Amino acid sequence: EVQLLESGGGLVQPGGSLRLSCAASGFTFSTYAMSWVRQAPGKGLEWVSAISGSGVSTYYADSVKGRFTISRDNSKNTLHLEMNSLRAEDTAVYYCAKAVNERTVVAPAGDYWGQGTLVTVSS
Amino acid sequence: QSALTQPASLSGSPGQSITISCTGTSSDVGGYNYVSWYQQHPGKAPKLMIYEVSNRPSGVSDRFSGSKSGNTASLTISGLQAEDEADYYCGSYTSSTTGVFGTGTKVTVL
Repeated sequence: EVQLLESGGGLVQPGGSLRLSCAASGFTFSTYAMSWVRQAPGKGLEWVSAISGSGVSTYYADSVKGRFTISRDNSKNTLHLEMNSLRAEDTAVYYCAKAVNERTVVAPAGDYWGQGTLVTVSS
Repeated sequence: QSALTQPASLSGSPGQSITISCTGTSSDVGGYNYVSWYQQHPGKAPKLMIYEVSNRPSGVSDRFSGSKSGNTASLTISGLQAEDEADYYCGSYTSSTTGVFGTGTKVTVL
């Protein structure tokens, strides 16, 4: 059974940093691209970042480029999102998602999602 | 990258069919066959219903179907059921090598 479990969310002050993790199980992790999608309270979905199965290629939304870094450790089946220079508008539930097939990398087509972790940026 | 445009809300009676539109540009929806659709119930993670315009993941009811014409993609729900009441989002690959989601549609079953 595929499972994705996010962790690392919490309350952080503006300008601060946070590292999210997503522990994956139930599939061959290195085969599939992974992505992060966020949802601000009461708002819609926003694509944040994606990483290829090998970890060589990474992609970012303009809203987070230069501040967020996506990475993965295929030996530990774990996905990360390093978030720096956090702003109030980064407040959201952050989901990790597994790509639906091997050819999907950037397209927002995730067939399995975690339960989400809440990041609150506030002083 | 601007969000794709969806109607804010749609409603239908049980058994009816409804179609949700998702309008983008030639740089996203119109340019690639990488359009997806998600269903999201309150407090839950999104569920993939359609990918690559018209493909259904295993386990998704065949009452859900997807299509695309030009810069507009569509999700049709046939035989509307009470459990279909949810928010629906489209998504697409973009020419900027990013992803983008739609504004979301709240579907109400009357």
